[in-house]
Amino acid sequence: DTEVTQTPKHLVMGMTNKKSLKCEQHMGHRAMYWYKQKAKKPPELMFVYSYEKLSINESVPSRFSPECPNSSLLNLHLHALQPEDSALYLCASSQGPGAQYTEAFFGQGTRLTVV
Amino acid sequence: AQTVTQSQPEMSVQEAETVTLSCTYDTSESDYYLFWYKQPPSRQMILVIRQEAYKQQNATENRFSVNFQKAAKSFSLKISDSQLGDAAMYFCAYRSARGKLIFGQGTELSVKP
Repeated sequence: DTEVTQTPKHLVMGMTNKKSLKCEQHMGHRAMYWYKQKAKKPPELMFVYSYEKLSINESVPSRFSPECPNSSLLNLHLHALQPEDSALYLCASSQGPGAQYTEAFFGQGTRLTVV
Repeated sequence: AQTVTQSQPEMSVQEAETVTLSCTYDTSESDYYLFWYKQPPSRQMILVIRQEAYKQQNATENRFSVNFQKAAKSFSLKISDSQLGDAAMYFCAYRSARGKLIFGQGTELSVKP
């Protein structure tokens, strides 16, 4: 199994809603990442988990809250989002946090629309 | 700070022909990695090819190869025998040994039948 699975594929939420994005991999990878991508732009790193611990937070607003319950699962909890948060959210994984492994596998993303 | 520049926002190639996508980067580090990612309309980012800066030999993966010019800080991607499935956004990316992945702005490649 060489996949990173993200659910849901599409999500529409109101600014007062609470929702969660889910990312799962069963490749035994020990580093997992959340990226945000606007249309026709490159992905922007949000968070990195290394061995289930948050290792990088790219000054992301607190309305985004990551969680890594176990080595296979990564969640992104969303609360009180703004319309400008509408984007494609990508999850990625790599064998380890070192640069030589890089973000080798990406999921298909969750297309989030905030109304 | 490291930067990655892709000067071609859009490129077009005829099916079965060869196309080269350009990428330059700026860094003062000596230990780093370079990558090309492909993002088709399905949205999934796919790692196409990687190059370690310490390796002089250019990386190849089937129809994909790179021209890595370390002194010029250039890292171009050549796609041979282009196929319709190669149509996608291509991102060049840089990562230092201790840093995060830094992407260029992307080149949108279209393949004409």
